[in-house]
Amino acid sequence: NAGVTQTPKFQVLKTGQSMTLQCAQDMNHNSMYWYRQDPGMGLRLIYYSASEGTTDKGEVPNGYNVSRLNKREFSLRLESAAPSQTSVYFCASREQGAAEPQHFGDGTRLSIL
Amino acid sequence: GQQVMQIPQYQHVQEGEDFTTYCNSSTTLSNIQWYKQRPGGHPVFLIQLVKSGEVKKQKRLTFQFGEAKKNSSLHITATQTTDVGTYFCASSSGGYNKLIFGAGTRLAVHP
Repeated sequence: NAGVTQTPKFQVLKTGQSMTLQCAQDMNHNSMYWYRQDPGMGLRLIYYSASEGTTDKGEVPNGYNVSRLNKREFSLRLESAAPSQTSVYFCASREQGAAEPQHFGDGTRLSIL
Repeated sequence: GQQVMQIPQYQHVQEGEDFTTYCNSSTTLSNIQWYKQRPGGHPVFLIQLVKSGEVKKQKRLTFQFGEAKKNSSLHITATQTTDVGTYFCASSSGGYNKLIFGAGTRLAVHP
């Protein structure tokens, strides 16, 4: 059982380039999330999708866009990458409901030069 | 918005010593979840607490939810090198579909 799969695992971009991070889950979860993790900052929510067809901003949405392509897939796009977006990006999913745990992918390590 | 504050940010212990991390909020939490992230890995769900004063144990780990549901703690008895990692608390109180994480406590265990 693959769980949550993120691609790519590593990426280096130049400032101003665009990129889409892919995420897919095979657990039939309704809710999906994108976080970024910076040293000492914990996990900060970028965008989330409570269910197929809906997306909402999290704590740090500026500079990002998302697409909930279908129930399985939730992508994160950087239109014009900036060095401040260098981070580790995690995708997560969970069944709808406040009591449900989140399941995380392995992360994408993104460096922007 | 709703925040959960976690302390300490970092702690190193000798193997065999105990360890505790605390999670605090200024508002009442509907639930608290705890996650562990090994170095280079991703967060993994450990447990959830829902009830006021709730205490749950997983082997050497003890999780508590405060009576007022504004704080929580994770205590590890007799740490081992396998306990190394960052421990996060998180709560969905800020929004039904959102999970807001604390900044985490990084634990280093010296053999």
